[in-house]
Amino acid sequence: EAGVVQSPRYKIIEKKQPVAFWCNPISGHNTLYWYLQNLGQGPELLIRYENEEAVDDSQLPKDRFSAERLKGVDSTLKIQPAELGDSAVYLCASSLSTGTGELFFGEGSRLTVL
Amino acid sequence: AQSVTQLGSHVSVSEGALVLLRCNYSSSVPPYLFWYVQYPNQGLQLLLKYTSAATLVKGINGFEAEFKKSETSFHLTKPSAHMSDAAEYFCATRPGAQKLVFGQGTRLTINP
Repeated sequence: EAGVVQSPRYKIIEKKQPVAFWCNPISGHNTLYWYLQNLGQGPELLIRYENEEAVDDSQLPKDRFSAERLKGVDSTLKIQPAELGDSAVYLCASSLSTGTGELFFGEGSRLTVL
Repeated sequence: AQSVTQLGSHVSVSEGALVLLRCNYSSSVPPYLFWYVQYPNQGLQLLLKYTSAATLVKGINGFEAEFKKSETSFHLTKPSAHMSDAAEYFCATRPGAQKLVFGQGTRLTINP
């Protein structure tokens, strides 16, 4: 069974440029998460989707960050414009809404803003 | 709000020695608790989880954790460290709905 797939794995951009990350969750998982992981810290939730609906986006900086999950499967996280402080790893995870809370993570997308 | 605190951002042990990574939780109700491992440049992988079925939880790679309500702890242990155990370890709790809140992580280094 394929795991959570993210792309790109690495991205280097200059500040003020836009960037987008893509995530394909495990088949059948209706809950999808985007987490932000700063260097040396634990992941922090940015947004959670139940199917195509964003049910928890309180930690998403909406002035520059946006996300979508069309058709309740793949998801895209966008930053526009990027700032130096956005350099981090962006992790996507998925889970079954009826499960015991176990999240399955992708390998992450490492963003470097110069 | 439910949270977890990991004591020690860096733990170093010799190969073959006991591994002990500490996690304390704050919760007014019985929590769900998890330990995840992250190898360099990889995502997080579940080691084990506590869902109130048993206080001693066995996970993958020889790790186990014991839920102690009196101490509000969920420490991760392994009797004998292996070089391949070197990684970042995260304790997490589920405060409700379908999301996890993570601790700051503990980096485990294994000395030959």
